[in-house]
Amino acid sequence: SQWGEENLQALSIQEGEDVTMNCSYKTYTTVVQWYRQKSGKGPALIILIRSNEREKRSGRLRATLDTSSQSSSLSITGTLATDTAVYFCATDAGNTRKLIFGLGTTLQVQP
Amino acid sequence: GPKVLQIPSHQIIDMGQMVTLNCDPVSNHLYFYWYKQILGQQMEFLVNFYNGKVMEKSKLFKDQFSVERPDGSYFTLKIQPTALEDSAVYFCASSFPGDSDYTFGSGTRLLVI
Repeated sequence: SQWGEENLQALSIQEGEDVTMNCSYKTYTTVVQWYRQKSGKGPALIILIRSNEREKRSGRLRATLDTSSQSSSLSITGTLATDTAVYFCATDAGNTRKLIFGLGTTLQVQP
Repeated sequence: GPKVLQIPSHQIIDMGQMVTLNCDPVSNHLYFYWYKQILGQQMEFLVNFYNGKVMEKSKLFKDQFSVERPDGSYFTLKIQPTALEDSAVYFCASSFPGDSDYTFGSGTRLLVI
């Protein structure tokens, strides 16, 4: 498998709290993408971090990438109920035009 | 933003019958993909497609599966014949050459009975 066991999680938090999700991967990638999938919808890209970056921010989102440990994290600050979704990280296995998705973290934000 | 449209959104079909899933990708995108997601599980790569040809397919892309995009119309996934284990949500995606990010459709929920 491409993925470490810790990628599969379910988290339930209160609105306003901060949350961090982790993923680890086993093969080389040029980029780690984080997708959000809301119930009944397709995944939507929310942040992308390249192999030459250690951190990337976009609004309330922060992604980190450690290529030496082959791990990435996604943090959301000041969560909203509308952040409730499944969050997937995805790698490109060396830019092969084939995104490989992790198992996902189910995040429930209680209003 | 630009969208990928998938038709139909739901399909119920008898085992053994043929089904065609349709995808209208983002207009200037040239790479197309199909993914399969069983309820609550991860997105699994099936196939990618560029310049009229399949570039790579996974082990999940059985012999009963085929893809095509005749003359710039819908990008289609055909399953013939269908099996019970083909029940899943099928997502189409597209991307632009040189871009890493994909645009996904909302999926077609296929139930084989």
